[in-house]
Amino acid sequence: DTGVSQNPRHKITKRGQNVTFRCDPISEHNRLYWYRQTLGQGPEFLTYFQNEAQLEKSRLLSDRFSAERPKGSFSTLEIQRTEQGDSAMYLCASSPGELRSPLHFGNGTRLTVT
Amino acid sequence: GESVGLHLPTLSVQEGDNSIINCAYSNSASDYFIWYKQESGKGPQFIIDIRSNMDKRQGQRVTVLLNKTVKHLSLQIAATQPGDSAVYFCAENLPNTPLVFGKGTRLSVIA
Repeated sequence: DTGVSQNPRHKITKRGQNVTFRCDPISEHNRLYWYRQTLGQGPEFLTYFQNEAQLEKSRLLSDRFSAERPKGSFSTLEIQRTEQGDSAMYLCASSPGELRSPLHFGNGTRLTVT
Repeated sequence: GESVGLHLPTLSVQEGDNSIINCAYSNSASDYFIWYKQESGKGPQFIIDIRSNMDKRQGQRVTVLLNKTVKHLSLQIAATQPGDSAVYFCAENLPNTPLVFGKGTRLSVIA
């Protein structure tokens, strides 16, 4: 399978704990995106990388959130001191980086904060 | 109608009929549009895209229409099948900005 891969698929954590998610993009894609989706809503942009450089961050991305893409390949999204409001599906997507090319999404990591 | 909170607009169609899903986009400067299909427990799946210099584009069983005058996008699915049941999202792209998703529409196909 050469699509976008996300791990874990599901994560249940207690409020206040830290969690980290991983995304492996399509190998030849140099852009990588993180989105968040809550029930009944469309995905909302969080941040994106061009190779290893983080080029944009949404105001939704509070100080408790940090994303990295150290070698321009896989990416991690960490949430510190989780809150119940962080419960959502976290989606990763990649694209070739050409103008006007579609994003290809993984199947997400569903986070539940209890 | 408009979705509020957890309530998505829903379209129910008979198997074999054609479906039309509508989307009003927000920014007249958007120049690229994409339709995605999302099944339960999965990420959005690319269906078809269109650039603002076009008003129609066809794929396999799908057609996207773009009306820039009224900022309206539609997705037509021919001969709708049970496997088409999903939530459909339109998304718009301004130059040099990330993709912005609209509110979804749930398509239910009645066998």
